[in-house]
Order: sequence, then structure tokens, then C-alpha cells
Amino acid sequence: DAGITQSPRHKVTETGTPVTLRCHQTENHRYMYWYRQDPGHGLRLIHYSYGVKDTDKGEVSDGYSVSRSKTEDFLLTLESATSSQTSVYFCAISGQGGTEAFFGQGTRLTVV
Amino acid sequence: KQEVTQIPAALSVPEGENLVLNCSFTDSAIYNLQWFRQDPGKGLTSLLLIQSSQREQTSGRLNASLDKSSGRSTLYIAASQPGDSATYLCAVRPEAGGYNKLIFGAGTRLAVHP
Repeated sequence: DAGITQSPRHKVTETGTPVTLRCHQTENHRYMYWYRQDPGHGLRLIHYSYGVKDTDKGEVSDGYSVSRSKTEDFLLTLESATSSQTSVYFCAISGQGGTEAFFGQGTRLTVV
Repeated sequence: KQEVTQIPAALSVPEGENLVLNCSFTDSAIYNLQWFRQDPGKGLTSLLLIQSSQREQTSGRLNASLDKSSGRSTLYIAASQPGDSATYLCAVRPEAGGYNKLIFGAGTRLAVHP
């Protein structure tokens, strides 16, 4: 298995609170991604990173921010959690030149 | 805008059958296409990666083909087993943008019954 660790694996939080999800990789891959998966919508890209301090928005980035200060860590922050952000969040990594992508085990986030 | 469609959405077959899952994409300008498997409550497991210059890839009982010009890929599963029950997702990596994004289909939910 590719060395990707997401933390926490499960979290329940209250509306309006900030939440940070962490993705840690041991593969030294350049590209890292955050997706959310929802019934009826499939997997949708939130943000991605193409290097340390290099990030960009995906298709559903509103309400989310990311940071990548080290190659191995990619953080996803919900500035002020809302119920619509209840979802399963997946981190993914891939190498240079369109290589195979690998996914973490996911974080189930519930906003109450 | 690239869109990925998977047909059928769900499939139920008896053990031992050979089956085909379909994936189509609207823009043929892709770097590659990747097939994944997802078990309930779990992450995605990579099955096969086909580069745009390739026609097919094989791994065990799985064979994936790619017809880039027509925007189609198929995943062939031989001699299906109950352990193959899962959701199968295809994803394309567009050439445009250069950021190595993956765009996913909604998946095919497969049930193989004994």
C-alpha cells in the first residue's frame, strides 16, 4: 500500500467551528489532492498541490483552504464548518508526469 | 469540460460470469485513465493505469482497454468471484491544465452472488 495516512479518521464537530484534516505521505510524491465523496455527486476535487507552497483550487473549493509547508504534509482546513460539509474526505497523491494516483483511507466528517 | 460516465450504475451477476464495465469520457485529450476499486467504507484501491499511448493493461483476472479517440474504456473481469463485489470507478487525467488532476465517473456498483 502507498504510504498515505489521513488523520483523524472520524470527526464530529459543531457548526461554525474550524476543522483541520491532515494528509501525510511517505512516498515523496509531488502532487497531493483533497477530494470529497458524497452520494449522488461522486468524488469531487476540492484543492490540489503541485509542490511545497504551490496549491490551487478544484471544483468545490468554497469554504475550504489548504496548506503545504512540507512535501509530505497537506492540510485541509474548513474555516467555519457547515452541515453541507458533512462528507467523506479523501487525500490522494501522484508523482511527476501523470503517474498512478493513490488514495488514503478517508476521513468521515460530520458537522452537527 | 471533461465529463466521465460509467455504465451500468449497478450490476448483479452470479459467480463465475465474465463481465464488462464501461467508462466513457467527453474529451479525448487525456494523459491516462485509471481504474479503481472501492469497498464500502474504505478508500480507493488502484487497479490499473492505462497511458494514452496504450491500448490495454492486464492484472490477473482484470483487463482494461482504452480507445482514446472514441472516448471509451472497458474493464473486463474474468470468472467473477464474490470477493469482486465493490464499486468500480474510472478516472481520467486531462491534458489541459497540467496539474495532474483526476476526473472521476460516478462508479459501477458490482455485486457477485454465490
